[in-house]
Amino acid sequence: SAVISQKPSRDICQRGTSLTIQCQVDSQVTMMFWYRQQPGQSLTLIATANQGSEATYESGFVIDKFPISRPNLTFSTLTVSNMSPEDSSIYLCSVESEGGTDTQYFGPGTRLTVL
Amino acid sequence: DAKTTQPPSMDCAEGRAANLPCNHSTISGNEYVYWYRQIHSQGPQYIIHGLKNNETNEMASLIITEDRKSSTLILPHATLRDTAVYYCMHKGNTPLVFGKGTRLSVIA
Repeated sequence: SAVISQKPSRDICQRGTSLTIQCQVDSQVTMMFWYRQQPGQSLTLIATANQGSEATYESGFVIDKFPISRPNLTFSTLTVSNMSPEDSSIYLCSVESEGGTDTQYFGPGTRLTVL
Repeated sequence: DAKTTQPPSMDCAEGRAANLPCNHSTISGNEYVYWYRQIHSQGPQYIIHGLKNNETNEMASLIITEDRKSSTLILPHATLRDTAVYYCMHKGNTPLVFGKGTRLSVIA
């Protein structure tokens, strides 16, 4: 399994500002994903981020709002831009294990509150 | 959209077995069945997965029907710490798609 850390663990931000969330993995992985979990809801996939290529966004999510970087095989960032209260959610990083199975592992999440 | 069906909630007495059902009638031949749980807004925790044979690990057992259209996750001796939302999903080479899951409450 992979050990995943996220920074920050939580933040309170003002409307109109941006926040960058970092995801660090303890091993090299090809596939990384970003999910959002709105209050009381299940997880929704935002995008897939593979090293060396542009992130692939799911329907309803756009690069201008959620730019993603993937500079190497152990790190990724997700930025939530021009935030509004509707962006208040838990943002989760996930990776797919290497070596034969497609098991995904999740970070602890970043709890974002936008005022 | 989620591709599995689970009951929204279940209760289980502490120390008893918790049996969580899941229907996944649209599963493809090369997709695995995965179970995760999420304890109070923490990141989802991987529990177990299987293709067509029953599987057991230190956390749980997974029983998959012969036609692979449904499965049951078994927690053999539920404890209060097993209270969580349990998600059943099937997955090939695409990311996990989460449904609403089953909220399991273990009662003392």
